[in-house]
This record gives sequence, structure tokens and C-alpha cells, in this order.
Amino acid sequence: GIQVEQSPPDLILQEGANSTLRCNFSDSVNNLQWFHQNPWGQLINLFYIPSGTKQNGRLSATTVATERYSLLYISSSQTTDSGVYFCAVPGDGNKLVFGAGTILRVKS
Amino acid sequence: KAGVTQTPRYLIKTRGQQVTLSCSPISGHRSVSWYQQTPGQGLQFLFEYFSETQRNKGNFPGRFSGRQFSNSRSEMNVSTLELGDSALYLCASSVIRSGRASNEQFFGPGTRLTVL
Repeated sequence: GIQVEQSPPDLILQEGANSTLRCNFSDSVNNLQWFHQNPWGQLINLFYIPSGTKQNGRLSATTVATERYSLLYISSSQTTDSGVYFCAVPGDGNKLVFGAGTILRVKS
Repeated sequence: KAGVTQTPRYLIKTRGQQVTLSCSPISGHRSVSWYQQTPGQGLQFLFEYFSETQRNKGNFPGRFSGRQFSNSRSEMNVSTLELGDSALYLCASSVIRSGRASNEQFFGPGTRLTVL
């Protein structure tokens, strides 16, 4: 089945810094989702981005489907951005296959 | 529009017992999927229900089962609990658009199950 790899596994930032998280996938996909898992465990939808670039405030994402990767950019990071960021792509049917996540810690 | 809801939020059981978790999807969403999250295995797909039928199943033993009701609410059941079943169980709902195999999924807050 399709494999998803995220990098880096851990990231520590000072408040105000920018960061880029990467998601590589092993096969062609027709959509990709980015999530932020909050401290209580809920997965919050950030982007649904099969291809191209989308922006939402300080966050933006780019998916280059032909090269099988997606990038999540966080600018001017805040302590509330801390948590785990996951990307996920479709496996069989409506099943999502997740990467292992990137743990982000933003220090004040 | 209300989001995906899951009950209960926390649960403590002992080995050998069984447990039932509930998920109510976003209004109008007919697909419900369940995922298990553990520190060692990450997020893994359990199964998906659509129109009261299981459409897809992950690689879990038969102790894990589920069902979906006519109002799209779903339950999952784990029988003969083992210590390794301790996990966060997340459900997700989505709208199934014809001609599209996969759709944006929205997750509930999860049920944290501890097996002692």
C-alpha cells in the first residue's frame, strides 16, 4: 500500500520563527490532508489540498502531486501552534493513510 | 453545523471486558470511518461504514467490529479487551461525492480507552 513519510520528526522553534514541514508519499494521490492534533487529541483540519497552494492566515500548504510531496509552511509561529502535525493521503477507497507526524514545540 | 461527536470521551476497562464507542457524524455526512491511535503504531484505519454497510476494513482482529445506523451514527465494539487495546479511538465523517473515491474527512474529539 501507499507509504507516507513526514519530516522532520521533531522541531523546536522560538516564537516568531518560520518553519516548513514536509510530507512525501510513495504513489500518486488525488487528495491530501494536513491536520494539527491538539493537546486533547482532536485532529483539526488544516488543508485539503490535492495539488497547488492554499493559504489560511499564517499557514500555507503546497502539494506537488507529480513529485509526490507536500509542504506545510508556518510563519511567525506562536506557542499555540505547538502540537503534532499529520499529513494523510487516501489508501483504498475512503481510508486515510497517515504519516508518523511532526512534533512541533514553539517556545516563548 | 455541529462537528463530529464521540462518546464517551474517556473510558477505563479491565482485560477481558468489552466496550462500545459511539460516533455521530456531521449532519449530511453518510460515511463514518474509525481509526486507532497508539504511540507505537501511530494512526491506523479500523473500518469505514457507508449507508449501514462496511465498505472497507483495516488489519485488525475480529474482536474489533462496528455498525452504522440509518441516521448514519456509528458504533464500534471491542470484545475481550487486551492491554494493547489502550488507545485513542477517533472517528471521522465525510460526504461521499459520486465519482470521487476519497473525500475530505473531519474528525471527532476521540475516545481515550485505558485497559487495565
